[in-house]
Amino acid sequence: DAKTTQPTSMDCAEGRAANLPCNHSTISGNEYVYWYRQIHSQGPQYIIHGLKNNETNEMASLIITEDRKSSTLILPHATLRDTAVYYCIVRVATLGSNYQLIWGAGTKLIIKP
Amino acid sequence: DTEVTQTPKHLVMGMTNKKSLKCEQHMGHRAMYWYKQKAKKPPELMFVYSYEKLSINESVPSRFSPECPNSSLLNLHLHALQPEDSALYLCASSQAARQTQYFGPGTRLLVL
Repeated sequence: DAKTTQPTSMDCAEGRAANLPCNHSTISGNEYVYWYRQIHSQGPQYIIHGLKNNETNEMASLIITEDRKSSTLILPHATLRDTAVYYCIVRVATLGSNYQLIWGAGTKLIIKP
Repeated sequence: DTEVTQTPKHLVMGMTNKKSLKCEQHMGHRAMYWYKQKAKKPPELMFVYSYEKLSINESVPSRFSPECPNSSLLNLHLHALQPEDSALYLCASSQAARQTQYFGPGTRLLVL
């Protein structure tokens, strides 16, 4: 069962910040939030991940609420090439020191000129 | 370098054929994964190999048979597939089971 809920689709103007929300109200204390994106018919691309603190890298920023029940992925200056499906994912521990990614349904982000 | 390669890019096979998908990484990663993705759905985990041993099999039908000949290579052998097995098959790898997974471009499979 998915542990995350995301809007089905969003639009954003080119050059503006794209803010993608994700709810993960049942997340446990040691479960990480991951974001990947998938451009049409390609493999998923890793963007960023975090546990409690906000994170930033060259692609994006991840803001996690203090109660960890939701997060927002921010693409600071969206370009047309950022049009993709963005997946919010919770990484859970399973038996035998294994881990699995529990994928959300994804948000289709369309960047408009 | 975070490159995972997959061959072939596309594959069409009949229900009586035997074929194999190949995945390779040279990042020194010790965990490798097979996922299946149907259109407009997120990827679904099929198998996980950790240190060349199968650690997770998500109740995948036996017509899919994974193999990890060495730490850089992962195969998925296909036999007697059904049309509903048509999908994008994705390979991923990570440094260890708890680390970030990096995906290949996938093999698009069509079963006739």
